[in-house]
Amino acid sequence: QSALTQPASVSGSPGQSITISCTGTSSDVGSYDLVSWYQQHPGKAPKVMIYDVIKRPSGVSNRFSGSKSGNTASLTISGLQAEDEADYYCCSYAGSSTYVVFGGGTKLTVL
Amino acid sequence: QVQLQQWGAGLLKPSETLSLTCAVSGGSFSGYYWSWIRQPPGKGLEWIGEINQSGNTNYNPPLKSRVTMSIDTSKNHFSLRLSFVTAADTAVYYCARSIMSSVTTFFVWGQGTLVTVSS
Repeated sequence: QSALTQPASVSGSPGQSITISCTGTSSDVGSYDLVSWYQQHPGKAPKVMIYDVIKRPSGVSNRFSGSKSGNTASLTISGLQAEDEADYYCCSYAGSSTYVVFGGGTKLTVL
Repeated sequence: QVQLQQWGAGLLKPSETLSLTCAVSGGSFSGYYWSWIRQPPGKGLEWIGEINQSGNTNYNPPLKSRVTMSIDTSKNHFSLRLSFVTAADTAVYYCARSIMSSVTTFFVWGQGTLVTVSS
């Protein structure tokens, strides 16, 4: 069982927007602005899409955005494209005892 | 541009020790954390632990008793050892780099190594 809870799957049509939630606790997501999101295509290494809750690495499309409210972080993808179909994982710092925790992953299907 | 190239034994028997190495090219060890992350087939990501240039380590508590990480800055590589493996340790293992100001941000990843534990 993963430390952070994500929906198993989400779907959307091209051009639409979707949001993936990542629910933790006051010991991880709720306490630190150190939440990142990773995109993983089959057979590939993950790629960071959002870090520090809202920051976007150079080269990542501005269609990807992040936010946080309380113990829940969210990844929003606007203007869905076929290439966005992938697995998405959230990740949070969880303090000096547990350090780094991941969510269970969400499969995004572009219809 | 920093690249991580990893290698190690891909097939182990139960109770053996997993050993993987990750070579760093195109960048410095200083100012970063160097992590190992694994992914069982068809499942999610699990952080194993991290090490910095000074050899300071942080390990995932459930794995802490079996994990040892080391770093050799003269050879530009860092390593993972996981003892007493079982079938539950079967996974793709990735090495990755994060920055000290954002330890959950893994900007650079290795290519991954599938390690299978089977008798």
